Amino acid sequence: AQKVTQAQTEISVVEKEDVTLDCVYETRDTTYYLFWYKQPPSGELVFLIRRNSFDEQNEISGRYSWNFQKSTSSFNFTITASQVVDSAVYFCALSESPYSGNTPLVFGKGTRLSVIA
Amino acid sequence: DGGITQSPKYLFRKEGQNVTLSCEQNLNHDAMYWYRQDPGQGLRLIYYSQIVNDFQKGDIAEGYSVSREKKESFPLTVTSAQKNPTAFYLCASKLKGGTEAFFGQGTRLTVV
Repeated sequence: AQKVTQAQTEISVVEKEDVTLDCVYETRDTTYYLFWYKQPPSGELVFLIRRNSFDEQNEISGRYSWNFQKSTSSFNFTITASQVVDSAVYFCALSESPYSGNTPLVFGKGTRLSVIA
Repeated sequence: DGGITQSPKYLFRKEGQNVTLSCEQNLNHDAMYWYRQDPGQGLRLIYYSQIVNDFQKGDIAEGYSVSREKKESFPLTVTSAQKNPTAFYLCASKLKGGTEAFFGQGTRLTVV
């Protein structure tokens, strides 16, 4: 069975601090996909990144960076120089191999990030 | 613009009533999903559909029903059998396996 664990329920940081959101996953598949979504107060989930299991290269997009490590089954998300607009709930998710069809994404319980000015 | 539209944004239901939440997408996605979000619980899967006229139960399907008569539409009915329906409901769609899911803006259902 697939499982995603986000151990940090809530995090508060002061603006301009760096913050890392942890994500640990479990799956028996050798091919799978990992995702991060942001949920602002409006409620809609906004897609941030997708990573497939064969690509362990870290990715950076502006102030955002992601560290994927298969050896520890982790896909952590770092925000550098946090801003108040980063305040949201962040979800990590896992999807099985595309050869299994359009199976649903499995989500972690989310981490609520509060950035204080 | 392409996207997913959920309606209504807010819905109030009296105990014992059935209500239907609408979800429409114009992204030409085959798969559609319904999730329920409660505080501290993350997103839990209610039902999903990979093709028209076919759907599968998710982890918390009891008290809910769905239909998929058209590719674009995947309505969710919350029946009176659902003991605790007050929650935020999110609809999503996906083009194919391995790709990201796109979400609607959600419907907040409150039982009064």
